[in-house]
Amino acid sequence: GAGVSQSPRYKVAKRGQDVALRCDPISGHVSLFWYQQALGQGPEFLTYFQNEAQLDKSGLPSDRFFAERPEGSVSTLKIQRTQQEDSAVYLCAGGLGNQPQHFGDGTRLSIL
Amino acid sequence: GQNIDQPTEMTATEGAIVQINCTYQTSGFNGLFWYQQHAGEAPTFLSYNVLDGLEEKGRFSSFLSRSKGYSYLLLKELQMKDSASYLCAVSPGGGSQGNLIFGKGTKLSVKP
Repeated sequence: GAGVSQSPRYKVAKRGQDVALRCDPISGHVSLFWYQQALGQGPEFLTYFQNEAQLDKSGLPSDRFFAERPEGSVSTLKIQRTQQEDSAVYLCAGGLGNQPQHFGDGTRLSIL
Repeated sequence: GQNIDQPTEMTATEGAIVQINCTYQTSGFNGLFWYQQHAGEAPTFLSYNVLDGLEEKGRFSSFLSRSKGYSYLLLKELQMKDSASYLCAVSPGGGSQGNLIFGKGTKLSVKP
């Protein structure tokens, strides 16, 4: 597609449920990044892939967060046993180098 | 630690010029980015500075002083559509591949 596509745009889950967020980057973008953006804050880095390799996951807040990109294109961010503090917008970004250039519109996650 | 500071809010008049400042303290430096983010939308890349000086791109210019840990984004001939949040982000480089440190954003309101 023409841009970075994320789905779903909105997700409401009950505390304790597992969720999966999808990112479909621009074709050919080697690098893929996940960021978490709380209301009124700037994005915070979660993890970074180069092709299928996860090179940096230092920003994942706990072991409940897991990301994968098995074929070097689509990526999934999974959050297990969700908690209220996980409520945020999750942004995916892609690029050709090691800097995020093109962001998706994000998934707005609300945990009740 | 890592710290990016920028004003929370600014107001300017249509047709005027506005300067949004950003100061940073990071463990390393591999470039500074500015993004524009309209409410509920993806951050859009505006500029990238890695060397000192001014980068001009149409109505938008960005300046960097590495010795002062300082950057600004200059917006000329303001239009109503420029009302958005402007995010300053630094790449600390080193082993932190892709890990951009974002400020909290400056919400700019353009008035008629």
